[in-house]
Amino acid sequence: NAGVTQTPKFQVLKTGQSMTLQCAQDMNHNSMYWYRQDPGMGLRLIYYSASEGTTDKGEVPNGYNVSRLNKREFSLRLESAAPSQTSVYFCASSALAGRSSYEQYFGPGTRLTVT
Amino acid sequence: SQQGEEDPQALSIQEGENATMNCSYKTSINNLQWYRQNSGRGLVHLILIRSNEREKHSGRLRVTLDTSKKSSSLLITASRAADTASYFCATDEKDKIIFGKGTRLHILP
Repeated sequence: NAGVTQTPKFQVLKTGQSMTLQCAQDMNHNSMYWYRQDPGMGLRLIYYSASEGTTDKGEVPNGYNVSRLNKREFSLRLESAAPSQTSVYFCASSALAGRSSYEQYFGPGTRLTVT
Repeated sequence: SQQGEEDPQALSIQEGENATMNCSYKTSINNLQWYRQNSGRGLVHLILIRSNEREKHSGRLRVTLDTSKKSSSLLITASRAADTASYFCATDEKDKIIFGKGTRLHILP
């Protein structure tokens, strides 16, 4: 039982390049989330998927797209990376959404630098 | 959107002492959660307290919730070096949760 896995762990991009961050969970959770964390900040929600087949914007969705590929996998795509997207990205999952009465399980993070 | 806000931003205490951190939020909630983040790692869930609960314990952790003051506190008793981490409160909003900016706790040997 690996929990939540993310790939890659580190990535350096040049401005304008694109990439996809992968996330998978093996806990049969319905809900999945993408956050970014910047120094001195909490986690800011980028996009989430309350259940398979649905996705919704969070606080900071601009410059990102997501795909809930199946129940296990939720990917985050940067179409044209910008230096402002330099951050640590975390994927999380929870059993259910619905007023979030369920704990979230986090992946180890992807450290992305855009030059 | 509402957001929990932790206080203090940073806290240094001697090993063995108790550590208290607080969280304030703006609108009504169904529950409040506390998470820990060790340096360079993802967040780990510590405890969830529902709006109809006033206090909850888990090992050396004690969480209180005062919905009239829209605040919560996390007490870590008999602190250890391994408790050095950032601690975040998270409040619910529709079908997602919103994290505060965290309290950085440093346990001195």
